[in-house]
Amino acid sequence: DGGITQSPKYLFRKEGQNVTLSCEQNLNHDAMYWYRQDPGQGLRLIYYSQIVNDFQKGDIAEGYSVSREKKESFPLTVTSAQKNPTAFYLCASSPRTGWNEQYFGPGTRLTVT
Amino acid sequence: DQQVKQNSPSLSVQEGRISILNCDYTNSMFDYFLWYKKYPAEGPTFLISISSIKDKNEDGRFTVFLNKSAKHLSLHIVPSQPGDSAVYFCAASGGNYQLIWGAGTKLIIKP
Repeated sequence: DGGITQSPKYLFRKEGQNVTLSCEQNLNHDAMYWYRQDPGQGLRLIYYSQIVNDFQKGDIAEGYSVSREKKESFPLTVTSAQKNPTAFYLCASSPRTGWNEQYFGPGTRLTVT
Repeated sequence: DQQVKQNSPSLSVQEGRISILNCDYTNSMFDYFLWYKKYPAEGPTFLISISSIKDKNEDGRFTVFLNKSAKHLSLHIVPSQPGDSAVYFCAASGGNYQLIWGAGTKLIIKP
């Protein structure tokens, strides 16, 4: 079955710790995206990647970092510099940048206390 | 500045009736619009889309209407079913990498 997997589904961390969220896809898609969702708000773009070894900041990249060493994988690190990290994080992919439909993973709920 | 607005946080509809979800946008450069459906603690799933060169697109029970002069689109679900209860997001694209998302409308289908 082709799709996007995110792990873990729930993650708890202490304030001041960096944490890495996993995102893997087997759809052979070139483009991958990370979004954040907060209650009552739409999805906000954190980072996106059009191709391996390339990524660009989205609207709210501060306090986050990413890597794209493999086509299938696009991990997101939430650093201690992110002021309000508790949120629902969604990874998505599309066949290529500019392809309008994006396909989403199940999400990771991160809680930082 | 919200470029895509869904002004109704929630909507309650009787099973079997029509559900109408609305979305307004401000950027006239948007040329493609999408609706996504999201269940709690899951990722959004693509539902239906429409290009700015059309004013209507249908897929089974789902129809999206686009009024470019009013910068308004709507999603019609007929007939509404219990499984349609979810949060519906409207998103817009200007042809680049980014989708701009509305805040979502929670649809509740009453039995």
